[in-house]
Amino acid sequence: NAGVTQTPKFQVLKTGQSMTLQCAQDMNHEYMSWYRQDPGMGLRLIHYSVGAGITDQGEVPNGYNVSRSTTEDFPLRLLSAAPSQTSVYFCASSFSGGEGNNVLTFGAGSRLTVL
Amino acid sequence: AQKITQTQPGMFVQEKEAVTLDCTYDTSDQSYGLFWYKQPSSGEMIFLIYQGSYDEQNATEGRYSLNFQKARKSANLVISASQLGDSAMYFCAMREPLTYNQGGKLIFGQGTELSVKP
Repeated sequence: NAGVTQTPKFQVLKTGQSMTLQCAQDMNHEYMSWYRQDPGMGLRLIHYSVGAGITDQGEVPNGYNVSRSTTEDFPLRLLSAAPSQTSVYFCASSFSGGEGNNVLTFGAGSRLTVL
Repeated sequence: AQKITQTQPGMFVQEKEAVTLDCTYDTSDQSYGLFWYKQPSSGEMIFLIYQGSYDEQNATEGRYSLNFQKARKSANLVISASQLGDSAMYFCAMREPLTYNQGGKLIFGQGTELSVKP
């Protein structure tokens, strides 16, 4: 059981380049999300999805695009990388709706540096 | 808007002693969930404990317990008998009310870095 798999683990980009962070989960979770982690700011939500074909913006969506064509995959696209997007990115998933704790399961993280 | 505040950027504790990590939250909703996650130096996010807003008992998971004071809007994490392996960053998080469109959406605090001294 792989859980949440993120690739790549490390990436260095030049300003203006584009790239895609991949995220896949094998737990049949409806809910998937992307966070970025910056020192002293905790984790901030970028985009999330409650199912295939449905996405919505989080707290810091500017400069990022997402799509959800399947239940398993939720890629994050940086359209034109900027130094302010240097961060650690986490993909996370959970079951959606209903009662209970619906714990978010996180991927291992992707460290992105934009020069 | 919902908000989570962790006012202790760093904490030290002696091995085998107990430690309390503070977390306060702000919400106007009646139904919400509170979580604690651990992030060791390796970087992964590890779920520790959960408290629902309607739960009457404080949550416990092994050496972790959550001191939930609803009127004060606080959800402090208590780690008993600290171990060297407890050295890590700890994040408090709140889930907005469960609706179809929000699922497991969490808001995180800034984190507290705990160092356990031998």
